Amino acid sequence: EIVLTQSPDTLSLSPGEGATLSCRASQSVSSSYLAWYRQRPGQAPRLLIYGASSRATGIPDTFSGSGSGTDFTLTVSRLEPEDFAVYYCQQYASSPWTFGQGTKVEIK
Amino acid sequence: EVQLLESGGGLVQPGGSLRLSCAASGFTFGSFAMSWVRQAPGKGLEWVSIISDSGGTTYYADSVKGRFTISRDNSKNTLYVQMNGLRAEDTAVYYCARTPNDFCRGGDCYVVNWGQGTLVTVST
Repeated sequence: EIVLTQSPDTLSLSPGEGATLSCRASQSVSSSYLAWYRQRPGQAPRLLIYGASSRATGIPDTFSGSGSGTDFTLTVSRLEPEDFAVYYCQQYASSPWTFGQGTKVEIK
Repeated sequence: EVQLLESGGGLVQPGGSLRLSCAASGFTFGSFAMSWVRQAPGKGLEWVSIISDSGGTTYYADSVKGRFTISRDNSKNTLYVQMNGLRAEDTAVYYCARTPNDFCRGGDCYVVNWGQGTLVTVST
């Protein structure tokens, strides 16, 4: 089973600032089969990025994904109020498909 | 607009059973693999099970294998999960989830759309 470790656990930032979130895999994630999701309080998650760097439908270009192998990054260039949430990465390179423990982006 | 509406959650005693349903609309249900993903209170996400577009192929997380059964009725646009032998650690919000194609074609097994979830509580 591929274990995903996200860092940091919590990121304290102000609206308008940029955010960089990390997701590290315990073994190589083949073909960059990695996705990112955002979960606002009390809501279901929403797909942001798939294939490590492809934006999902309706996701603004302030969100970008990068990385390969075992190290992946989600970058939010400018935080809007609705972006303060928990972010999860997920690998789908091998079953069982696993998620990271999440990074909470909170208002400073 | 894609809509996934879960139902069937509630309070059940340890060892009990529950069947969750997910009514889908806004897309051609029978063309997409579907999954269940759960989230324990205050915790992260855990993939539970996946079923192919036709229902002919299913996979389960080890934590539920032998106790949960995923199924679908394409004529009713509905996804199910039968949960038997429930344990306290099965307490979670269960999300119905749509994948991008018929069954991880090209390796794509992420979640495109999520339902709002239904809470299952296993307790005495």
